[in-house]
Amino acid sequence: DGGITQSPKYLFRKEGQNVTLSCEQNLNHDAMYWYRQDPGQGLRLIYYSQIVNDFQKGDIAEGYSVSREKKESFPLTVTSAQKNPTAFYLCASSMGSGWGETQYFGPGTRLLVL
Amino acid sequence: QQQVKQSPQSLIVQKGGIPIINCAYENTAFDYFPWYQQFPGKGPALLIAIRPDVSEKKEGRFTISFNKSAKQFSLHIMDSQPGDSATYFCAASGLETSGSRLTFGEGTQLTVNP
Repeated sequence: DGGITQSPKYLFRKEGQNVTLSCEQNLNHDAMYWYRQDPGQGLRLIYYSQIVNDFQKGDIAEGYSVSREKKESFPLTVTSAQKNPTAFYLCASSMGSGWGETQYFGPGTRLLVL
Repeated sequence: QQQVKQSPQSLIVQKGGIPIINCAYENTAFDYFPWYQQFPGKGPALLIAIRPDVSEKKEGRFTISFNKSAKQFSLHIMDSQPGDSATYFCAASGLETSGSRLTFGEGTQLTVNP
C-alpha cells in the first residue's frame, strides 16, 4: 500500500522544547516538501528537498530544520526559535522536482503548544 | 509577484448548484495551474490541472477556465453534491522560476447543502 505517512497525528510542545515531525514515503519519489497550514493562509512552504542529502529553504524556514539522509524520509524539527508553532503540518512528495510534477500529500500532523 | 490570490474565502451552495472559485496571479512566468481538494483532517489531493495553452479543461464535474490575458483562472463544479464539501486550493508554478515548487492560494471552504 503505497503512500506518505506522517506521525504523530497530534503533537504537543512545551515552551523551549524542540519537537520532530516524521514523514515517510514508499512511493520512490525523489522530491519531498514540508508545508505549514494556518486558517485563511493556504499552504506555505517551509523546506523542500529535490534529492537525498540536499534541501532548500522555502518561504518560512525560520525556526525549522530538516534532514534528508534517506530517500524515503524527510523529518522536520520545530525548534524553540519558532515562536508561533501551532499549525497543521503537511508533508508531500513528488516523483521529480521538474515542472508540472504532481505533489502527493500525507495526512498531516497537528502541533499544539502547551 | 509570487502571490496567488483566491476568492471567495468561503462559499455555500445548495445541492445541484454550480460553485465557482476564482484565482488571480501576478507572475507571468507561471505556466502550470493545479487545483487541490482537501477534506477536514486530511492532506490535499490533486483534483485537476491546466496549462496556459488551453482556455478550458474538464474532468467529470470539475472544469477549469483559464484567462491568460487577465492572469486569472477559476474552478467550476457542475451539479455539486454534499460530498464535494471541502476546502479547495488553487496553486501555480513556473518552468523557469520554480520547477515543481508550488505557490498556493489562501483556500476556499465550500459547503454544499443537501
